[in-house]
Amino acid sequence: DIQMTQSPSSLSASVGDRVTITCRASQSISSYLNWYQQKPGKAPKLLIYATSSLQSGVPSRFSGSGSGTDFTLIISSLQPEDFATYYCQQSYSTPRTFGQGTKLEIK
Amino acid sequence: EVQLVESGGGLIQPGGSLRLSCAASGFTVSSNYMSWVRQAPGKGLEWVSVIYSGGSTYYADSVKGRFTISRDNSKNTLYLQMNSLRAEDTAVYYCARERSCSGGSCYSGFDYWGQGTLVTVSS
Repeated sequence: DIQMTQSPSSLSASVGDRVTITCRASQSISSYLNWYQQKPGKAPKLLIYATSSLQSGVPSRFSGSGSGTDFTLIISSLQPEDFATYYCQQSYSTPRTFGQGTKLEIK
Repeated sequence: EVQLVESGGGLIQPGGSLRLSCAASGFTVSSNYMSWVRQAPGKGLEWVSVIYSGGSTYYADSVKGRFTISRDNSKNTLYLQMNSLRAEDTAVYYCARERSCSGGSCYSGFDYWGQGTLVTVSS
């Protein structure tokens, strides 16, 4: 199985900050890397698919990059509604696997 | 409009069985990869099972031999039959769609999710 490791596990930031979350796969997953945002009590929401493609309706302050085993999610200027938990996930092989999550909190 | 609506969750004793349903609208279940993903209270996301568009099925090791994924094309509905339930199966269960798939890899990510249904296994 492919293991996904996110860092950091938690992060405190302020509105307007630039935030970077990283995700590492235990083996190459090409560009099959996706990012989700989850708020308490809600289903996850797809933000970025295939490493860098922005899902329809997602603000352009979210961006993704990487390939192979190392990937990055960047939020260019944090907004109040961005405080949530973020997960990476590989869709290269079955079983699908998720990172452990990054909880983004208000500083 | 694409929509996924889960049902069937509830409180069940250890060793019991439950069947979850995921009714889809706005797209055809059998044309996509459909998965179940769960989230234990206060924990992260865990993939549980998938049924490919071609009908192949796969399971997480933690549920293999106890859970069965299936679909009813006439009802455009996905199911998860859960047997021999354990306390560690307690979670919110989501159904989710993947598309643009080939040979087990999908380009789209889980682009639509249901609202989730809570399964509590406790005596």
